[in-house]
Amino acid sequence: AQSVTQLGSHVSVSEGALVLLRCNYSSSVPPYLFWYVQYPNQGLQLLLKYTTGATLVKGINGFEAEFKKSETSFHLTKPSAHMSDAAEYFCAVSYNAGNMLTFGGGTRLMVKP
Amino acid sequence: DSGVTQTPKHLITATGQRVTLRCSPRSGDLSVYWYQQSLDQGLQFLIQYYNGEERAKGNILERFSAQQFPDLHSELNLSSLELGDSALYFCAGSPGQSSYEQYFGPGTRLTVT
Repeated sequence: AQSVTQLGSHVSVSEGALVLLRCNYSSSVPPYLFWYVQYPNQGLQLLLKYTTGATLVKGINGFEAEFKKSETSFHLTKPSAHMSDAAEYFCAVSYNAGNMLTFGGGTRLMVKP
Repeated sequence: DSGVTQTPKHLITATGQRVTLRCSPRSGDLSVYWYQQSLDQGLQFLIQYYNGEERAKGNILERFSAQQFPDLHSELNLSSLELGDSALYFCAGSPGQSSYEQYFGPGTRLTVT
């Protein structure tokens, strides 16, 4: 069964600093990869996705992620954190279009002024 | 706003009771997915319906059931409720079998006392 690991359940950065949230998946078959963000008391919003093609994908709010097959990773980055980025971030995988998502445990990002 | 609606927003009920959660996907979304988010289990896929038919099942208890109606809205029925069923229940919609994105509703927070 596929699994998704997010290293670090809590990450704290200063405003303006680099954001790096880590995601690794375990599968011999490369999945489709997603990052979702959840703000307090809200549902999940898609930040970005990788399906095929260019391995560096750009998403909303200045986030981007790179699919590295050799490392089975899909880390999420943003060059400069804003206070409004404070939220919980989930990495997810799927193995076919129209299929369920398998989520990682989530990483809560805190941004210090 | 994803365009997916869920009602009620909050639900408080007692052990042993039965509740129904409702989800209306975006116009044209044929697939509906149900997920459970709890502190100990994280985000878990429960069940998927596509155009009225059950398509996939995840970690859904036998006490839980779902259906999708001709107008494509879906209901998740939870019966013989236990304290451990307290969680946030999300539904997500997707246009169809060839789509990767899932659009999440705001969730229903269920508290079982």
